[in-house]
Amino acid sequence: GENVEQHPSTLSVQEGDSAVIKCTYSDSASNYFPWYKQELGKGPQLIIDIRSNVGEKKDQRIAVTLNKTAKHFSLHITETQPEDSAVYFCAASTWGGNQFYFGTGTSLTVIP
Amino acid sequence: DTEVTQTPKHLVMGMTNKKSLKCEQHMGHRAMYWYKQKAKKPPELMFVYSYEKLSINESVPSRFSPECPNSSLLNLHLHALQPEDSALYLCASNPTTTNEKLFFGSGTQLSVL
Repeated sequence: GENVEQHPSTLSVQEGDSAVIKCTYSDSASNYFPWYKQELGKGPQLIIDIRSNVGEKKDQRIAVTLNKTAKHFSLHITETQPEDSAVYFCAASTWGGNQFYFGTGTSLTVIP
Repeated sequence: DTEVTQTPKHLVMGMTNKKSLKCEQHMGHRAMYWYKQKAKKPPELMFVYSYEKLSINESVPSRFSPECPNSSLLNLHLHALQPEDSALYLCASNPTTTNEKLFFGSGTQLSVL
């Protein structure tokens, strides 16, 4: 089955700096890669996703890049703000599959 | 509206109690999921319903019993739980099970005493 690794497990940045979280996956058949933000006491919130036919996607301060050859994808947050502090999970799934394989999570702290 | 609603938000139960968790979505999604999440860990898949039929049961103990009364509702019946079952229980849905956007509810924080 699919194995998704996520790094780093914790990340602290100064407000206004950029944050990058990286994930690798093992199954070359995976073709959908969502990112979730989870705040304390809440469920995961889908913030951005990318499919394997696209190399990069951007939504305001958030971007995701995908390297299919190397089997890794990354979340980039620019101009970080304190409200970006949360746990971020990457995930991978396969067309026709019915499971989402989650990374182990990154706890991001943005220091004011 | 991309909302998945879960009730209750918090639940404390004894090991001999029977309780139910409820989940509702009105997005027309035909796939609904139950996940279990321990603190600081990723969600773990428990059950998947596709078109109101159970399609995945991830070897979950029988003290957890899912039910999908209709395409908008999902229940999780709990009986004779153990303290190690204490966790955040998340419901999620997506249009079908074929890797489309998965939306989560806020979860039910369950404590088993």
